[in-house]
Amino acid sequence: DTEVTQTPKHLVMGMTNKKSLKCEQHMGHRAMYWYKQKAKKPPELMFVYSYEKLSINESVPSRFSPECPNSSLLNLHLHALQPEDSALYLCASSPPVSGEAFFGQGTRLTVV
Amino acid sequence: GEDVEQSLFLSVREGDSSVINCTYTDSSSTYLYWYKQEPGAGLQLLTYIFSNMDMKQDQRLTVLLNKKDKHLSLRIADTQTGDSAIYFCAESLLSSNTGKLIFGQGTTLQVKP
Repeated sequence: DTEVTQTPKHLVMGMTNKKSLKCEQHMGHRAMYWYKQKAKKPPELMFVYSYEKLSINESVPSRFSPECPNSSLLNLHLHALQPEDSALYLCASSPPVSGEAFFGQGTRLTVV
Repeated sequence: GEDVEQSLFLSVREGDSSVINCTYTDSSSTYLYWYKQEPGAGLQLLTYIFSNMDMKQDQRLTVLLNKKDKHLSLRIADTQTGDSAIYFCAESLLSSNTGKLIFGQGTTLQVKP
């Protein structure tokens, strides 16, 4: 199984809503990531979890709150987002040493 | 500093070879990667090369690494219309123990029938 599964695939939310994005992998990878991607741009790193501990937060606003309940799951909790937060949110995981990241298909988020 | 650069656009005819180029600045890179992204999809890992290698071949894909010039290329032989996508070059850094990737801006490959 070389898949990273993200749900939902699409999400439309209002600026006062609270929602969560979910990510799951069963490759035994101990590093998991959230990236944000705007159209025709490269992914921008948001958060890195290593062995279920947050190791990198790339100065992401507090309206984005990551959570890693166990080694297979990664969540991104969203609250009071702005329209400019509309983007494709990508989850990835990687093994140690070679570090090649496997990406999910992403959640297309629209904030209205 | 950390920087990865790619040309933004490449157009080829079906059946021709495509060569997508990438330059990077950080000499402490460990692995260099090529990802493919089709419209509306996530990133698909195509191949990667360790920084002490010069070349890696995998079916239609050939990766060449020139460490002296910090230049990486991806050659796609017999390019097909299904190869049309954005191709991202990325590096991971020896200084980062978390697998942080630095991406280039992406090269849009257009394959004409």
